[in-house]
Amino acid sequence: AQSVTQLDSQVPVFEEAPVELRCNYSSSVSVYLFWYVQYPNQGLQLLLKYLSGSTLVKGINGFEAEFNKSQTSFHLRKPSVHISDTAEYFCAVSPRGSTLGRLYFGRGTQLTVWP
Amino acid sequence: NAGVTQTPKFRVLKTGQSMTLLCAQDMNHEYMYWYRQDPGMGLRLIHYSVGEGTTAKGEVPDGYNVSRLKKQNFLLGLESAAPSQTSVYFCASSYSRSGTYNEQFFGPGTRLTVL
Repeated sequence: AQSVTQLDSQVPVFEEAPVELRCNYSSSVSVYLFWYVQYPNQGLQLLLKYLSGSTLVKGINGFEAEFNKSQTSFHLRKPSVHISDTAEYFCAVSPRGSTLGRLYFGRGTQLTVWP
Repeated sequence: NAGVTQTPKFRVLKTGQSMTLLCAQDMNHEYMYWYRQDPGMGLRLIHYSVGEGTTAKGEVPDGYNVSRLKKQNFLLGLESAAPSQTSVYFCASSYSRSGTYNEQFFGPGTRLTVL
C-alpha cells in the first residue's frame, strides 16, 4: 500500500523568499515520485518527477526536489519565489513495475506568495 | 493536438438527477482514469480503464459508473447524484508501455455542484 503525507497544508511566504514544501511517503514497493502544481481554477501540471538516477531533480519554473530514500521524503524547494508561484502543490507516488502508473496523491499544500 | 478534454466544464445538479461527464483524448493512449478532487483530500481515483471495453474500480467508486466504448473516450456517469458528489472531476490518460513510467496527462477538470 502507498500513502503520501504533505506536512503543511498552507505555506505563506513573501516574494523573493526561499520556500520548501515537505512530502513524505510510505510504500511497500519502490516508487516513482512526482510534484504537480495546480494554479487557481486550472488542471494539474507536472512540475517535476523522479524516476531514477540523480536524487536532485530540477523541474519547471525554477523548482527542484530531492529524493531521500532513507527518510522516504521528496521535498520541493525554490530559492526565490514569485507571486505567480501562488498555487496548490501536490506530491504523488506511483509504484514501480506497473504499466498502469497509478498515482497516489497527498492532500496538497497551498503556497501563497505575498508582495 | 487537443490533449485531454472534458465536457462540460461546469454543471449544477439537483439531488437525484443523473448526468454523464465525457473525457476525450487524442493521443492514442490505452489507459484512462477518472479522479475526484475535494478540499484537503488531494485527488482520489474513482475508476480507470486499461483499454477499450474494460474498466476497473479505483479508491472511491461508489455512486459512479463508467464506460469505455471507444479508445479515445471515457465516460463517467452519476445515476442519482448526491450532495457528497459535489467535487471537481479530473480525467487523465497515459500510454501502457512496459519497462518505463507512463506519464498521466490531465484534463482541465469539471466542476460539479449537487444541491
